Amino acid sequence: NAGVTQTPKFQVLKTGQSMTLQCAQDMNHEYMSWYRQDPGMGLRLIHYSVGAGITDQGEVPNGYNVSRSTTEDFPLRLLSAAPSQTSVYFCASSRRNSGANVLTFGAGSRLTVL
Amino acid sequence: GQNIDQPTEMTATEGAIVQINCTYQTSGFNGLFWYQQHAAEAPTFLSYNVLDGLEEKGRFSSFLSRSKGYSYLLLKELQMKDSASYLCAVREGSGGGNKLTFGTGTQLKVEL
Repeated sequence: NAGVTQTPKFQVLKTGQSMTLQCAQDMNHEYMSWYRQDPGMGLRLIHYSVGAGITDQGEVPNGYNVSRSTTEDFPLRLLSAAPSQTSVYFCASSRRNSGANVLTFGAGSRLTVL
Repeated sequence: GQNIDQPTEMTATEGAIVQINCTYQTSGFNGLFWYQQHAAEAPTFLSYNVLDGLEEKGRFSSFLSRSKGYSYLLLKELQMKDSASYLCAVREGSGGGNKLTFGTGTQLKVEL
């Protein structure tokens, strides 16, 4: 099993450009989420989804869009990149129900906005 | 909302025992997780507590006191490879799937 696959691993953008970070999982997980990680800030939740066709905002959603057309894929779109969006982005997935359902993380996508 | 506090840095000696504390404030506690994250890598799961008490898994143990809003991660027989950041995360409620709020992490350095 590949687990959670994120692409690209590295990306440099100019201010105002748009791009999509891809996330795919092959574990049939209902729950998928996007976090960003910044020095001294920890992991912060951007958006999440509890199933295909359902998305919701996390702690820091501004400037980002998501969609969930299939169970496997959960892309994160930056509409107009800003230097404040320079960060490492992690996609994570799990079974939906509570309990000891472990979030499995992708390897991360490092984004720099100039 | 939630507030999660853990020390920023700790240093310990190879072969020793270290305890990393985490305190949290939440209105609807539904589980506490510990993750390990090596530099430039993804977080990986270490332990889960939802009831009070100690959960042991090899060299790693995690303790939870819900009434005190307190957890700790205990690492025994420290090895150099244990040098990493340790993240405390809390799940609140059950309606939001598996939405976790993370602390800022404790950077552990293991020295000879």
